[in-house]
Amino acid sequence: SQQGEEDPQALSIQEGENATMNCSYKTSINNLQWYRQNSGRGLVHLILIRSNEREKHSGRLRVTLDTSKKSSSLLITASRAADTASYFCATYAGTGNQFYFGTGTSLTVIP
Amino acid sequence: NAGVTQTPKFQVLKTGQSMTLQCAQDMNHEYMSWYRQDPGMGLRLIHYSVGAGITDQGEVPNGYNVSRSTTEDFPLRLLSAAPSQTSVYFCASKYRGTYEQYFGPGTRLTVT
Repeated sequence: SQQGEEDPQALSIQEGENATMNCSYKTSINNLQWYRQNSGRGLVHLILIRSNEREKHSGRLRVTLDTSKKSSSLLITASRAADTASYFCATYAGTGNQFYFGTGTSLTVIP
Repeated sequence: NAGVTQTPKFQVLKTGQSMTLQCAQDMNHEYMSWYRQDPGMGLRLIHYSVGAGITDQGEVPNGYNVSRSTTEDFPLRLLSAAPSQTSVYFCASKYRGTYEQYFGPGTRLTVT
């Protein structure tokens, strides 16, 4: 399986704190994406980082990518209760048409 | 736009029964896909399509069939349901050449 892994599996923080989750993957990639899934809902795309980028920002989100370690991290700054969700990374190898999702991190932000 | 819609939301089947999960999108996306989501496993790709008349297998295709007769619709058929197919199924779509997928709300399937 080319599925990635995320850690931690679950994370609980206080509102206002930062949340960091990590994704490790197995093969060379063209890009890596992060998605959010609220309970009982479909996934929503958050941000994409290409293999030639090391860091990307979007609002309170900061994504880093280390292709030598085959890993990425997602930082959510100044978290809010509304950030409570599961977060998944997804990789695209650049050939074929398949995306491989990680196992997800469940984030709980306590008001 | 309704985006990606899936029906039904919930379904209970007995072992051996067949059924079709429906997926439709109104964004004129060429690419459509089906995933299953199991606890601790993340999402795994079942089948995908890059356009009408073209389908291909993903990571876990066994026990499932798909067809793509129109751009809008991409139904997933379970031929003979098994308890191992108990899962939440998501349909997704995107424009060809882009990477952001738009997901439907999911179908929760239980096979007894």
